[in-house]
Amino acid sequence: EVQLVESGGGLVQPGGSLRLSCAASGFTFSSYWMSWVRQAPGKGLEWVASIKQDGSEKYYVDSVKGRFTISRDNAKNSLFLQMNSLRDEDTAVYYCARTGGYVVSYWGQGTLVTVSS
Amino acid sequence: QSALTQPASVSGSPGQSITISCTGTSSDVGGYNYVSWYQQHPGKAPKLMIYEVSDRPSGVPDRFSGSKSGNTASLTISGLQAEDEADYYCSSYTSSSTLAVFGTGTKVTVL
Repeated sequence: EVQLVESGGGLVQPGGSLRLSCAASGFTFSSYWMSWVRQAPGKGLEWVASIKQDGSEKYYVDSVKGRFTISRDNAKNSLFLQMNSLRDEDTAVYYCARTGGYVVSYWGQGTLVTVSS
Repeated sequence: QSALTQPASVSGSPGQSITISCTGTSSDVGGYNYVSWYQQHPGKAPKLMIYEVSDRPSGVPDRFSGSKSGNTASLTISGLQAEDEADYYCSSYTSSSTLAVFGTGTKVTVL
């Protein structure tokens, strides 16, 4: 059974940093693109960042470029999102997503990030 | 990287058919057959319903179907059921730097 378990969310002040982690199991992690998708409270989904199987290609939505970094550790079946210079508008549930063919086939349950003073 | 455009809400009675549209540009929906659709119930993670415009993952009822014409994709739910009441999002590959973009979302209400 595919499982994606996010951790690392919480309350952080504007300008602060947070590192999200996603533990993957039930599939060959190193064979899949992985992504982070977020959803602000009461709002729609937003594709945040994606990373290729070997980490050689990364894509980001414009609003997080230069502030967020997606990475992965295939030996530990883990995906990460380093978030710096956080803003109020980054407040959202962040989902870890197994991605293939520009499709999210599996989602984690999400971790809430709240940016507030 | 603008979101794809969906109607805010669509409603129908049990047994009826409804269609949700998803409008983009030639840089996303119109240029590639990589449109997917997701269902999201309140407080839950989204679930993949359609991929590559019209393919259904295993386990998704054939009441759900997808199509595309030009820059607009559509999701049709036939024989509407109470459990279909949820938010629906389209998504497409995009040639921009994001890799993919979601639609604005549509709330489906079963009357």
